[in-house]
Amino acid sequence: KQEVTQIPAALSVPEGENLVLNCSFTDSAIYNLQWFRQDPGKGLTSLLLIQSSQREQTSGRLNASLDKSSGRSTLYIAASQPGDSATYLCASSGGGADGLTFGKGTHLIIQP
Amino acid sequence: DGGITQSPKYLFRKEGQNVTLSCEQNLNHDAMYWYRQDPGQGLRLIYYSQIVNDFQKGDIAEGYSVSREKKESFPLTVTSAQKNPTAFYLCASSISPLGGSEAFFGQGTRLTVV
Repeated sequence: KQEVTQIPAALSVPEGENLVLNCSFTDSAIYNLQWFRQDPGKGLTSLLLIQSSQREQTSGRLNASLDKSSGRSTLYIAASQPGDSATYLCASSGGGADGLTFGKGTHLIIQP
Repeated sequence: DGGITQSPKYLFRKEGQNVTLSCEQNLNHDAMYWYRQDPGQGLRLIYYSQIVNDFQKGDIAEGYSVSREKKESFPLTVTSAQKNPTAFYLCASSISPLGGSEAFFGQGTRLTVV
């Protein structure tokens, strides 16, 4: 059964820094990997979706990479801002109909 | 605007009571999902549906029931058999029932047992 781990569980950095959030998965036979943002008490907002055939995806200041062979994905946030403060979740799909397997998330705080 | 609407935002349940959480989507997606989120844990799958009039149990289906009578609607009932129902419930949808498409989420319903 797929297991997804996110490290660190929490991270606090000063505004303006570039940072990397890590996601690892035990079964490399994934179909895709998706990164989400969750604000307190809110639902999940999709940030980036990487298909298994892709190495990376970019959206604005966000860049997500995928290395299936090592079972890892990273989310790179450039020039962090206080508005980036949230919990970031990664989730893998095995290609079946039973949805996503989630990590527990990284709680990110950007200090003004 | 297209999206997923969950209601109510907050719900309080008395012991022994059944309650129903609503999830409606206007994205014309085939697949819909219910997840439960507890503090310090990842999201866990309760039920999913690939198509109208069909649904499957997820990892933690005990004490829950669903229906999928319309493509746009996937309500979740939390029954009295669910011993620890206090949690944040999230509904999601994706265009394809297979795992290749992007998943979109509603804003969640927070259920509290009083």
